[in-house]
Amino acid sequence: ELKVEQNPLFLSMQEGKNYTIYCNYSTTSDRLYWYRQDPGKSLESLFVLLSNGAVKQEGRLMASLDTKARLSTLHITAAVHDLSATYFCAVDPWEGNQFYFGTGTSLTVIP
Amino acid sequence: DAGITQSPRHKVTETGTPVTLRCHQTENHRYMYWYRQDPGHGLRLIHYSYGVKDTDKGEVSDGYSVSRSKTEDFLLTLESATSSQTSVYFCAIAMYSGGTYNEQFFGPGTRLTVL
Repeated sequence: ELKVEQNPLFLSMQEGKNYTIYCNYSTTSDRLYWYRQDPGKSLESLFVLLSNGAVKQEGRLMASLDTKARLSTLHITAAVHDLSATYFCAVDPWEGNQFYFGTGTSLTVIP
Repeated sequence: DAGITQSPRHKVTETGTPVTLRCHQTENHRYMYWYRQDPGHGLRLIHYSYGVKDTDKGEVSDGYSVSRSKTEDFLLTLESATSSQTSVYFCAIAMYSGGTYNEQFFGPGTRLTVL
């Protein structure tokens, strides 16, 4: 059974601090995606990582992929309240567009 | 938003009744997907389609059927709804770029409650 595990599941952090969300998956995949979801809303695509060593940055968020370790990280730099949301990672191991999602990390940034 | 709409956006129904959810896209995307989202489970794939009349099962397909008679519409049917199918349902499309399908974009979701 393919598993995609995120940790932490819940994260409360102060504004201005740095933190990392981890996404581990149990089967080989060269493709990993990060999404953001605000309460009651749909998913918004953040990053598409398509090869080992891929690193993408957008504002205060940076995502990386280590396919050998089956690990992706989402690093938050100098958090601001607007980053409060739930973040999901997803893998597409057979490149058949069957995404498998992690359970999500609920991030709350406290002023 | 990749031109995806879902209808209805909210629905309350009773156990045992049939329910059909509609996903409509305006940009001629080949791949379409239905997911359900439940607390503690993230999103799980129900069914997907790779073209008109071409569909396949996902991770949690029991109790669901789908149809795609036109490129733009992908229907999800609960033949006899049960309380365990209370969930938020998202439709998605896969974007084609760089010679492959990769990134998925999601519709606004349908909140279904089965009493």
